[in-house]
Amino acid sequence: RKEVEQDPGPFNVPEGATVAFNCTYSNSASQSFFWYRQDCRKEPKLLMSVYSSGNEDGRFTAQLNRASQYISLLIRDSKLSDSATYLCVVNPTGTGGFKTIFGAGTRLFVKA
Amino acid sequence: GAVVSQHPSWVICKSGTSVKIECRSLDFQATTMFWYRQFPKQSLMLMATSNEGSKATYEQGVEKDKFLINHASLTLSTLTVTSAHPEDSSFYICSSSGAGGGLQIETQYFGPGTRLLVL
Repeated sequence: RKEVEQDPGPFNVPEGATVAFNCTYSNSASQSFFWYRQDCRKEPKLLMSVYSSGNEDGRFTAQLNRASQYISLLIRDSKLSDSATYLCVVNPTGTGGFKTIFGAGTRLFVKA
Repeated sequence: GAVVSQHPSWVICKSGTSVKIECRSLDFQATTMFWYRQFPKQSLMLMATSNEGSKATYEQGVEKDKFLINHASLTLSTLTVTSAHPEDSSFYICSSSGAGGGLQIETQYFGPGTRLLVL
C-alpha cells in the first residue's frame, strides 16, 4: 500500500459545480497535512494546510479524518482557473522529524 | 514572504556535461531544502533532503555521486547533475522549509523549477 494515495482522476466538472477529492495515508502517526495545487509545467503551490478541526478558505474546505486516515478537499462553485492537479501531502513523522510524502495528484478539469 | 528562486529556469546541454542548479530562499532562512524531480505526467519524486551544514540524505535509488547537493548556507542549496545523460532530462524542483516571518516550519515552499534537456 502506498503511503499516500489519491484518486488520479481526471475529474471533469462544469463551472459552478462542487467537487471533492479524498486522500488516504497509511501512517497513523502522521501529524501534518497539506493540499498543494500544481498547474501544468509549473511548481506546486501551497493551497492550504489541513488541521484537525478542518479549515476553510473561501471556496475551499479541507477536512481531516484521523480515525479513517484520510483528508479531503472540497471546492465549491468551481472556476475555470481551478483546473490543475491537486496534490495531497503528508508528513508521516510529525514534528521533530521531517519527511514529506506527496500523493500522485488528482487532476481537475473545469469546463465552461 | 516565503519566496524561493531557482536558477537557471531551463538548460539545454550536451551529454556528458555537468549542470549546476541553484535554489535560494529569498526572505527566510531555509533550515531544510528538498530536491525533487518530475517526469512528464508523473508525480514529484523526492531525490534528497539537505540540512544546512550537513550532508544530504538521498532517497533510495538516487545516486549521490551523480547528483551532488551542497547546502552551503541557510539561503542557498545547489544541485549538480554530473555527466548528464538524456535520461536525466526532467523538471527539477527545489523546495525550502524554515522559520521566521510566521512561516509554519513543516510547510514547503517551492522554487519555480528548472527544465533540463540533455541532448
